[in-house]
Amino acid sequence: QKEVEQNSGPLSVPEGAIASLNCTYSDRGSQSFFWYRQYSGKSPELIMSIYSNGDKEDGRFTAQLNKASQYVSLLIRDSQPSDSATYLCRVAGGGNKLTFGTGTQLKVEL
Amino acid sequence: DTAVSQTPKYLVTQMGNDKSIKCEQNLGHDTMYWYKQDSKKFLKIMFSYNNKELIINETVPNRFSPKSPDKAHLNLHINSLELGDSAVYFCASSQDSAGGQFFGPGTRLTVL
Repeated sequence: QKEVEQNSGPLSVPEGAIASLNCTYSDRGSQSFFWYRQYSGKSPELIMSIYSNGDKEDGRFTAQLNKASQYVSLLIRDSQPSDSATYLCRVAGGGNKLTFGTGTQLKVEL
Repeated sequence: DTAVSQTPKYLVTQMGNDKSIKCEQNLGHDTMYWYKQDSKKFLKIMFSYNNKELIINETVPNRFSPKSPDKAHLNLHINSLELGDSAVYFCASSQDSAGGQFFGPGTRLTVL
C-alpha cells in the first residue's frame, strides 16, 4: 500500500463549481498535512497546511482532515480556469518518508 | 529576494559526465531537501538535511552525493551521469522536518 494515495484524474469541473480533491494516507501517526499546486513546467507551491481534525479555510480553498478515516481533502470553491493544475498531497510526521502523492490533475472548463 | 534558488535552471550533458546543482535558501529554514520529478511527474524525495546533517537518504544510487556546507545551502553532485538521470530536480526548504516546504524553480537535467 502506498503511503499517500491520490486519484490521478484528470478531474474536470465547470467554471464556478466546487472542485473536490481527495488524498488518503496509511500511517496513523501522521501529524502534518499539506496541499501543493503545480502548474505545468513550474515548481510545486504550498497552498494549504492542516494539522488537526476539521476544516481550515483560506479564501476559496478549504482543507478537511479526518484522522480517524485517514483522509485529507481540498475543496476549491468558485473554480476558475487559473485553478487548472496538478494538486499534490503531502503527509509528514509519524513514519512517513515525506512522500508526496502522485497528484490529481484538475481541469476547470469554461 | 528569491526564497529558494537553484542553479543552473537547465543542464544538458553527455552520459558519463559529472555535474553539480546548487541550491540556496534565504528563509532561515533549518531543513532542506532534494526531490526528483520524472517524466511521469511523480515527485520523489532523494535527500533531506536538517541543520547540515543528513536525515533522509532514500534509495538513490551512490553516484548522487549531497553536500550541505551550511544550513542555507544544499548542493547535489552527480557522478557518471546516465540516461535515466534525466529529470527535473527540485530543491526545497522548510522551517523544520515536519513543516510545509518551499520549492526552488527546478533544474531540468537532460542526459544525452
